[in-house]
Amino acid sequence: GQSLEQPSEVTAVEGAIVQINCTYQTSGFYGLSWYQQHDGGAPTFLSYNGLDGLEETGRFSSFLSRSDSYGYLLLQELQMKDSASYFCAVKAASGSARQLTFGSGTQLTVLP
Amino acid sequence: DAGVIQSPRHEVTEMGQEVTLRCKPISGHNSLFWYRQTMMRGLELLIYFNNNVPIDDSGMPEDRFSAKMPNASFSTLKIQPSEPRDSAVYFCASSSSGGGSPLHFGNGTRLTVT
Repeated sequence: GQSLEQPSEVTAVEGAIVQINCTYQTSGFYGLSWYQQHDGGAPTFLSYNGLDGLEETGRFSSFLSRSDSYGYLLLQELQMKDSASYFCAVKAASGSARQLTFGSGTQLTVLP
Repeated sequence: DAGVIQSPRHEVTEMGQEVTLRCKPISGHNSLFWYRQTMMRGLELLIYFNNNVPIDDSGMPEDRFSAKMPNASFSTLKIQPSEPRDSAVYFCASSSSGGGSPLHFGNGTRLTVT
């Protein structure tokens, strides 16, 4: 099976930079994704890393190190609207299936 | 693009009743997923379809749960009989093929079983 670990809570102030780490254990690893979920809403896709390195999308960046089974999501120039839960998710093969398994989520609170 | 459409948004039912949740994936997406989200267990994958065929249902908690995908534009998740511990938000998601293809989630069905 798969297991993922990420911090349960992170707090930062507007304009700051925050990094949310994710470590995973899995077999048949394909890639690491990040999703954002606001309270009462649905998860929405932020980024995907299939190869080692940094992917940048606006204020958000995501990093993967396959050899370390580690990734992170970097949020820059934090805004109040970034307060949400952030999930790392591993895409891995299980037989003929490629499943996406989610971590338990990190609740980010952005303070004014 | 209307996105993934789930119905109903909210369902309140009594223990022992049958519950059917519905999902219309994004047109052209060939993979469909049912997830359940609770505070205690987070987001759990229940079942995954590819080209309307169930690929992995190992996450379905018990025989009381069943899912079907009769065609590319419709799927159901049925719970019979329902129990209070089934109370959760049930999400349907779809994606196209490809390793990095993101999941597009519906707005979810909040199920409360009393």
